[in-house]
Amino acid sequence: EVQLVESGGGLVQPGGSLRLSCVVSGLTFRDNWMSWVRQAPGKGLEWVASINQDGSAKYFVESVEGRFTISRDNAKRSMFLQMNSLRAEDTALYYCATETQRWQQLGASDFFDYWGQGTLVTVSS
Amino acid sequence: QAVLTQPPAVSAAAGQRVTISCSGSTSNIGSNFVSWYQLLPGTAPKLLIYDNDKRPSGIPDRFSGSKFGTSATLGITGLQTGDEADYYCGTWDSGLSVVVFGGGTKLTVL
Repeated sequence: EVQLVESGGGLVQPGGSLRLSCVVSGLTFRDNWMSWVRQAPGKGLEWVASINQDGSAKYFVESVEGRFTISRDNAKRSMFLQMNSLRAEDTALYYCATETQRWQQLGASDFFDYWGQGTLVTVSS
Repeated sequence: QAVLTQPPAVSAAAGQRVTISCSGSTSNIGSNFVSWYQLLPGTAPKLLIYDNDKRPSGIPDRFSGSKFGTSATLGITGLQTGDEADYYCGTWDSGLSVVVFGGGTKLTVL
């Protein structure tokens, strides 16, 4: 059974930092792109960041560029999201997920196969 | 404001069929593949459909997906109370170069 377990969320003041972790089991971690997707209270899903299999490629949504970093440790089957200079608008449930990307003749196929249950980040004074 | 447009809510009786629409543009749905997700409170989101109409292993054939032009549709037959959840569509947007989602649709089984 595939399991993704996030941790590290909590209450933090604006301008503060948090480091989220995601531990994966039940699949070959090093073979997968990994991503963070968030859901703000009462809002929809928003992709946040992705990292490729060996960590050499990293992508971020524009709103977190320069503030968040993504990393992974394949030996520990873990992915991390370092969040700095946090803002109220970063308040959300943060999910880690495996991501499949295929660039086909008929278009791009990009979807999230497996997800964790999420860890809640609240930015408030 | 979500890039893809979904109805906020749909409802249907148990045992019946319901469809959820997802509307986009030529830069996203019109030129790329669509996926669908089920979100139940307190549980991990689940991939229901990928590549417009393919079901991952373990997803029952009560769930189906289709795409025509710049719109996609999720269909659920034989509705069960356990299907009450929020459903989201997603796809790659070639203009924005990111994955985009719909605003989500809350399904109520009457």
